Amino acid sequence: LAKTTQPISMDSYEGQEVNITCSHNNIATNDYITWYQQFPSQGPRFIIQGYKTKVTNEVASLFIPADRKSSTLSLPRVSLSDTAVYYCLVADNFNKFYFGSGTKLNVKP
Amino acid sequence: GAVVSQHPSRVICKSGTSVKIECRSLDFQATTMFWYRQFPKKSLMLMATSNEGSKATYEQGVEKDKFLINHASLTLSTLTVTSAHPEDSSFYICSASRGEAEAFFGQGTRLTVV
Repeated sequence: LAKTTQPISMDSYEGQEVNITCSHNNIATNDYITWYQQFPSQGPRFIIQGYKTKVTNEVASLFIPADRKSSTLSLPRVSLSDTAVYYCLVADNFNKFYFGSGTKLNVKP
Repeated sequence: GAVVSQHPSRVICKSGTSVKIECRSLDFQATTMFWYRQFPKKSLMLMATSNEGSKATYEQGVEKDKFLINHASLTLSTLTVTSAHPEDSSFYICSASRGEAEAFFGQGTRLTVV
């Protein structure tokens, strides 16, 4: 039932920029794209959300092409503490999320 | 941002007993709350959708008599795992929506059935 597809895992080094791409080919007109971060034994934490084009906040950027069938989360200069699972989700204002596998990001020193 | 609190954060119960988990939206009224469960190294699985004052809607394969959900107010939803068995041991997470595009998740409850 998951509406999104992401790479299962990614490796990076401290200080690098990390880009995680998500496919959501069947995104609906009313759906927003939201990214969450989850550490072990914690609830997901909101990172960023967008509808189209580019969104930037203090921790990440989100790039959404015109057709909205994919999105890319960009984390600038990652640190060891960014090691976590990142979920890309699409839903309307009622936030009924069907989680996919997420991307396990491993940041190495 | 809005805060969602779950209680307890950890619980151990004996097989055959029931355990209740609370999910509260502390600083906003949640039109809808959701319950998820998560097994180790797996993703979150949506169990049910809860609207204040009405019966919960369960996802396919989730036993409604096993996982009782009560949404008594706009700030409180409870999940009761009845007659718990070791296979019910899991990490249970709630989220709350106020009709905007961002959902707010609780910190999760680790249930261990012995």
